[in-house]
Amino acid sequence: EDKVVQSPLSLVVHEGDTVTLNCSYEVTNFRSLLWYKQEKKAPTFLFMLTSSGIEKKSGRLSSILDKKELFSILNITATQTGDSAVYLCAVAGGGGADGLTFGKGTHLIIQP
Amino acid sequence: DAGVIQSPRHEVTEMGQEVTLRCKPISGHDYLFWYRQTMMRGLELLIYFNNNVPIDDSGMPEDRFSAKMPNASFSTLKIQPSEPRDSAVYFCASSLGGEIEAFFGQGTRLTVV
Repeated sequence: EDKVVQSPLSLVVHEGDTVTLNCSYEVTNFRSLLWYKQEKKAPTFLFMLTSSGIEKKSGRLSSILDKKELFSILNITATQTGDSAVYLCAVAGGGGADGLTFGKGTHLIIQP
Repeated sequence: DAGVIQSPRHEVTEMGQEVTLRCKPISGHDYLFWYRQTMMRGLELLIYFNNNVPIDDSGMPEDRFSAKMPNASFSTLKIQPSEPRDSAVYFCASSLGGEIEAFFGQGTRLTVV
């Protein structure tokens, strides 16, 4: 059975801290790994990773994939209260399906 | 483009009633996905379409659930009869191509009492 496991489930830090969110996966035919940020409503896309070892960066957020160890991390530096959200990891490629298999998310709370 | 549009935004209904959720994907996208999100199970793929054709409905929980896509700009997810355990947020998403970035609608929060 395809699996995406995220850790921690929730995290509370102070503004300015750096956080690392983890995602490990087991899928039949891995094609890509995606990170989404979900605030109150719809998940919004952050990154898509297909190759090992290549860091993707957007402002204070960065992510990297390790296809040998089957995991990805999402780093957020100098966190701000606006970073508070649920961060979802999803993997494409399970049993030939084109849909995404999601982890349960990491609920991140940034305290001022 | 206005993005993926879902309606209604919220629905509260009594168990046994029929519920129909609606989705308009982004124009030009050839894939449409229906997901369900609950606290216990997170986001789960229910069904997806490619060029209006259902490709994989293995995530549909029971025969009470059905989905259609009569044309490229409209899809429905129907639950008949609804049950309290169907209460969740239902998301529709669309993409150009299968496994790449999917754009999500704002979701329909369904409560069955």
